[in-house]
Amino acid sequence: GQNIDQPTEMTATEGAIVQINCTYQTSGFNGLFWYQQHAGEAPTFLSYNVLDGLEEKGRFSSFLSRSKGYSYLLLKELQMKDSASYLCAVRDRRATGTALIFGKGTTLSVSS
Amino acid sequence: KAGVTQTPRYLIKTRGQQVTLSCSPISGHRSVSWYQQTPGQGLQFLFEYFSETQRNKGNFPGRFSGRQFSNSRSEMNVSTLELGDSALYLCASSSSGSETQYFGPGTRLLVL
Repeated sequence: GQNIDQPTEMTATEGAIVQINCTYQTSGFNGLFWYQQHAGEAPTFLSYNVLDGLEEKGRFSSFLSRSKGYSYLLLKELQMKDSASYLCAVRDRRATGTALIFGKGTTLSVSS
Repeated sequence: KAGVTQTPRYLIKTRGQQVTLSCSPISGHRSVSWYQQTPGQGLQFLFEYFSETQRNKGNFPGRFSGRQFSNSRSEMNVSTLELGDSALYLCASSSSGSETQYFGPGTRLLVL
């Protein structure tokens, strides 16, 4: 089966750094995605990891360890607008196409 | 380039009715995936279409069906609506050879 776990909620203050963890179990792995979703809006793509290591994109970085079934999303210099739900999603190698299995999301609240 | 569009944005139906939702992908994208999002279950994969063929299917009952047209536009249909079908239905498109899915704003369905 497939299982993706991430914390339900996190809080942080403006200017801080926050790390959102995601662990996954899948019988086949073919990439991990992070999406950001503001309340009432569509998810927007943040990052994609298929090989081990760190991918950096501005204030956001994503890390993957395939052997540990583990990823994290690192947000630096937090801003109020970063308050949102962060979704971890895994693509199953068995699946043709682009079907993603999503975690339930981590709601991040950034305060001043 | 215009993003993914979905119609209608909001819909109210009663139990037993059926509903059809529409999705127009980003121009040039041939893959369209559908997801159901609820507070309790998060984002769950329904099905994916590519070149008018269903390429993947999630674990949803047969009441949920879809199709894709030659212009890549897609529709999903839910028959014999149940209260539990109340959810945000999201459509995502991706281009051939790309791993990234781009989401539309969703259709919020309320079943009374």
